[in-house]
Amino acid sequence: QLRLQESGPGLVKPSETLSLTCTVSGGSISRSNYYWGWIRQPPGKGLEWIGTIYYSGNTYYNPSLKSRVTISVDTSKNQFSLKLSSVTAADTAVYSCVSILESTRIDYWGQGALVTVSS
Amino acid sequence: QSALTQPASVSGSPGQSITISCTGTSSDVGDYNYVSWYQHHPGKAPKLMIYDVTMRPSGLSNRFSGSKSGNTASLTISGLQAEDEADYYCSSYTSRSTWVFGGGTKLTVL
Repeated sequence: QLRLQESGPGLVKPSETLSLTCTVSGGSISRSNYYWGWIRQPPGKGLEWIGTIYYSGNTYYNPSLKSRVTISVDTSKNQFSLKLSSVTAADTAVYSCVSILESTRIDYWGQGALVTVSS
Repeated sequence: QSALTQPASVSGSPGQSITISCTGTSSDVGDYNYVSWYQHHPGKAPKLMIYDVTMRPSGLSNRFSGSKSGNTASLTISGLQAEDEADYYCSSYTSRSTWVFGGGTKLTVL
């Protein structure tokens, strides 16, 4: 059973870059039938897909965030990371890392990390 | 990409059946059989209920079922129980090789 755990600052200043890392345990991040992704949920709002990465490094981003998002993978550490630049208060949300099986469904979620954008 | 369209809320009494719709476009729901549904109790991680439009994860109650017609997918919950009260989100793969969620539906068990 996979376990995913987000880590990173819980407070980011406006215009700066939000950075989060997801550590995967219970299995290799290099398994061929998995993608890895980031999802967020602003307070009181619904889920939003941020982007997805394959262990080879191929990335797929939400078009509405693409200009500000970078997702990367470090197979040696079994981790993948999210960077979101030029953040505003609208980027305040619970950010969750997920595993995507067979590219069709999310089977495991991290516990989620609240990131607040505020000066 | 626009979020998939779901009703904001639905409700039903214990034992009844309800259906939640999820409307997309020919670039997502209509073109791929990769629609999934997630149950989300606040403060907990969402739980996969249906994938590939109609498939249930192993061990999940058969009270939950999925279907699709054209650009609209649906989740049906039969024999409503109090513990079914939660937020439900649909998701679909898209022609841009991305994924998109619905806005979420709050299910209230009366």
